[in-house]
Amino acid sequence: DVKVTQSSRYLVKRTGEKVFLECVQDMDHENMFWYRQDPGLGLRLIYFSYDVKMKEKGDIPEGYSVSREKKERFSLILESASTNQTSMYLCASSLVQQNEKLFFGSGTQLSVL
Amino acid sequence: ILNVEQSPQSLHVQEGDSTNFTCSFPSSNFYALHWYRWETAKSPEALFVMTLNGDEKKKGRISATLNTKEGYSYLYIKGSQPEDSATYLCASLSGYSTLTFGKGTMLLVSP
Repeated sequence: DVKVTQSSRYLVKRTGEKVFLECVQDMDHENMFWYRQDPGLGLRLIYFSYDVKMKEKGDIPEGYSVSREKKERFSLILESASTNQTSMYLCASSLVQQNEKLFFGSGTQLSVL
Repeated sequence: ILNVEQSPQSLHVQEGDSTNFTCSFPSSNFYALHWYRWETAKSPEALFVMTLNGDEKKKGRISATLNTKEGYSYLYIKGSQPEDSATYLCASLSGYSTLTFGKGTMLLVSP
């Protein structure tokens, strides 16, 4: 079974801190994604990557950056955390074909105080 | 950004009831429609990926249909069980975009 692992289930940070959310997948998937989930809203795509060292902006990239130095690892970076970035963050991966299903991590609930 | 709508927003049924949800999506440049189940404290899990108009998929008591011409998909659950309680997400993929998710339908099945 594919496993997508997110480094933390819960995280509490202060405004202005630099925050790293880590995601690792173990099935050699080319595609990796970062989403956030907020009450009353659907999953919204922040950034995605189709290959090592490659990154593309999603629908809501402002205030975020990403890093993909190795195929299995995709990191989401909040350069200077703000309270409006309090959210559930989900990482996902998939095979290269666009209609392949996503495999999700269990999520990181980030609170920025 | 595509507009993917799901209805109802939430649903409360009794064990044994059959139920269905709707997902509507823009039909132009359609590529694929995904359904996911997201149980509390777990990861969203893929149920179906559908690409062809008229496609029907089944997994146990859960089935889904797809109409790409009019832009909708139905998810059916036959004989709901408490373990079916979850949020059901649909997501649409168009030719030149990434998956766009709806807001989900939250299902609660009472014993």
